[in-house]
Amino acid sequence: DAGVIQSPRHEVTEMGQEVTLRCKLISGHNSLFWYRQTMMRGLELLIYFNNNVPIDDSGMPEDRFSAKMPNASFSTLKIQPSEPRDSAVYFCASTVNEYLNTDTQYFGPGTRLTVL
Amino acid sequence: SQQGEEDPQALSIQEGENATMNCSYKTSINNLQWYRQNSGRGLVHLILIRSNEREKHSGRLRVTLDTSKKSSSLLITASRAADTASYFCATDAIQRAAGGTSYGKLTFGQGTILTVHP
Repeated sequence: DAGVIQSPRHEVTEMGQEVTLRCKLISGHNSLFWYRQTMMRGLELLIYFNNNVPIDDSGMPEDRFSAKMPNASFSTLKIQPSEPRDSAVYFCASTVNEYLNTDTQYFGPGTRLTVL
Repeated sequence: SQQGEEDPQALSIQEGENATMNCSYKTSINNLQWYRQNSGRGLVHLILIRSNEREKHSGRLRVTLDTSKKSSSLLITASRAADTASYFCATDAIQRAAGGTSYGKLTFGQGTILTVHP
């Protein structure tokens, strides 16, 4: 099993540019989580999808952030326009989730985003 | 609000010693999980303990859960230099989405940085 795959692994961009992060779930998993990790704020949940449907997007910082699941195995997180304060490591994680119980989450290697 | 809070924030020990990390939380949970993160890498699941369990073992790891005190501890016995990493507790608790759907949500603590000196 290849595990959760994220791309790119590193992204350096200039303020105002659009950034798209990508994530491929583990085959058979039905839940996807996008997290952001910074020294100041730790690991924050941005959005949670279950069976392709966004369940909780209360962690999405603002309208500049959007996330989609065009199919059951793939997701994108887009930031438009990007700002320096968006610099962080972005992780996605997947699991097999029953609605009322979150079991082990499998994390991808992360995308380190730097916005200049 | 932060659900899982870990203590200590940093721990430095010698190889062979035991390492104990603690986690406190605020609300009722379905389960509590511990994860490990090596520098520059993603989180890796270590162990899950359900709310009706009190203790669980996995290799050199021992996790306890006290739901009356809303706390958990992770003990790593006979530590090795390779155990150097950040350790996070995560609590799974029921949330209610805007549309009324209930679901389990995992909330991570700030982590404990463990350094094991050879």
